[in-house]
Amino acid sequence: DTGVSQDPRHKITKRGQNVTFRCDPISEHNRLYWYRQTLGQGPEFLTYFQNEAQLEKSRLLSDRFSAERPKGSFSTLEIQRTEQGDSAMYLCASSLGIEQSKPLSGANVLTFGAGSRLTVL
Amino acid sequence: GENVEQHPSTLSVQEGDSAVIKCTYSDSASNYFPWYKQELGKGPQLIIDIRSNVGEKKDQRIAVTLNKTAKHFSLHITETQPEDSAVYFCAASTKPSGNTPLVFGKGTRLSVIA
Repeated sequence: DTGVSQDPRHKITKRGQNVTFRCDPISEHNRLYWYRQTLGQGPEFLTYFQNEAQLEKSRLLSDRFSAERPKGSFSTLEIQRTEQGDSAMYLCASSLGIEQSKPLSGANVLTFGAGSRLTVL
Repeated sequence: GENVEQHPSTLSVQEGDSAVIKCTYSDSASNYFPWYKQELGKGPQLIIDIRSNVGEKKDQRIAVTLNKTAKHFSLHITETQPEDSAVYFCAASTKPSGNTPLVFGKGTRLSVIA
């Protein structure tokens, strides 16, 4: 297993276009997270999945954003009608859930991918 | 919700010196506190973490201390090396089981001068 993979690494688009990012987590991890990181800031939580269920969404995730994890493996994050303010690094992470992790100390330890950088012109 | 403050935002040290980065958190229910290192063009990488049932944890040149009463935790790097240069993030999780997503600080850019 090579860790968390994200594609594409870079995306430049024009305002108003739709973009989609893909994340392939570590295969045995049942949790998958999306974070957004802007320049000079820490990662900000967007949403997370346990298996195929989307369990939590941040208020940062406007109705132009949608995330899916249809088979509980890879996930996609789509941004519709992009705006310049959407320019950021979109980070994906995965982890074991507490039901998977023995001891508990292994749960919720996030492994991040390298990110997908979005530039909206 | 949880709020994590991190200081300083930038830190320069001479090679071989120690570096200390401090974080405070607001939610007393938080009990998982990881530290991540992010190098240019890469995602954050976990370097050490601590849970609220211990006050200190050490891994070679890196240590983390936690003061739950004061709601602050710190990262200590001893004998710094040029490869320690990166952005470091602290984070906190707001539920005992670690079931909620991490809230991150804004990061500290550490420069180790050879």
